[in-house]
Amino acid sequence: EVQLVESGGGLVQPGGSLRLSCSGSGFSFSDYYIDWVRQAPGKGLEWVGRTRGKAHSYTTAYAASVQGRFTISRDESKNSAYLQMNSLKTEDTAVYHCARVLRGVSSSWIMDVWGKGTTVTVSS
Amino acid sequence: QSVLTQPPSVSAAPGQKVTISCSGSSSNIGKYYVSWFQHLPGTTPKLLIYDNDERPSGIPDRFSGSRSGTSATLGITGLQTGDEAHYYCGTWDSSLSALVFGGGTKLTVL
Repeated sequence: EVQLVESGGGLVQPGGSLRLSCSGSGFSFSDYYIDWVRQAPGKGLEWVGRTRGKAHSYTTAYAASVQGRFTISRDESKNSAYLQMNSLKTEDTAVYHCARVLRGVSSSWIMDVWGKGTTVTVSS
Repeated sequence: QSVLTQPPSVSAAPGQKVTISCSGSSSNIGKYYVSWFQHLPGTTPKLLIYDNDERPSGIPDRFSGSRSGTSATLGITGLQTGDEAHYYCGTWDSSLSALVFGGGTKLTVL
């Protein structure tokens, strides 16, 4: 079964750090981008960033709202991706999902499998 | 303020048809493929449409997508109460170098 499972969420104070993990199974992990998408309470979906697959040298990209504070990495030996979150703000409170993305020819992209998410609460 | 503009809500009766619009610009919808996602409260977002008009396996043909210029549209026919959910469009934006989502549309099946 193809699946993604997030872990590592919790309660953290403003200015603190947290590291989320996304473990994949049932597919060739290195062939896929892994995106992080969050949903704050009462808000819509917001893209956080991504780590591209082997074909794109595992490069990363970030939303402006987290650039410089969040870092995405991956470990192919563990079929896992990570979201290191530093200098956390109250507005980073959200459910964080990881999702796999297959990039095809001519800019085709398919975000077809999502994890159930892990909750991050930033509060004093 | 989302880069992609969706109506906050739409509604229709069971069995009817509804369309949800997603308006963007030349740096996003006008240039890149659009996907649509269904999100029911407490569940994982579900891919309904990718590459403007393609359905993943398992998605019924009641769901359709289209793109024209800098706008995209999701269509749902034969509405069911189980279709009540939030729907999001998404695509890449070259000006922001980021994936962007619409603000979401809440569908109510009356």
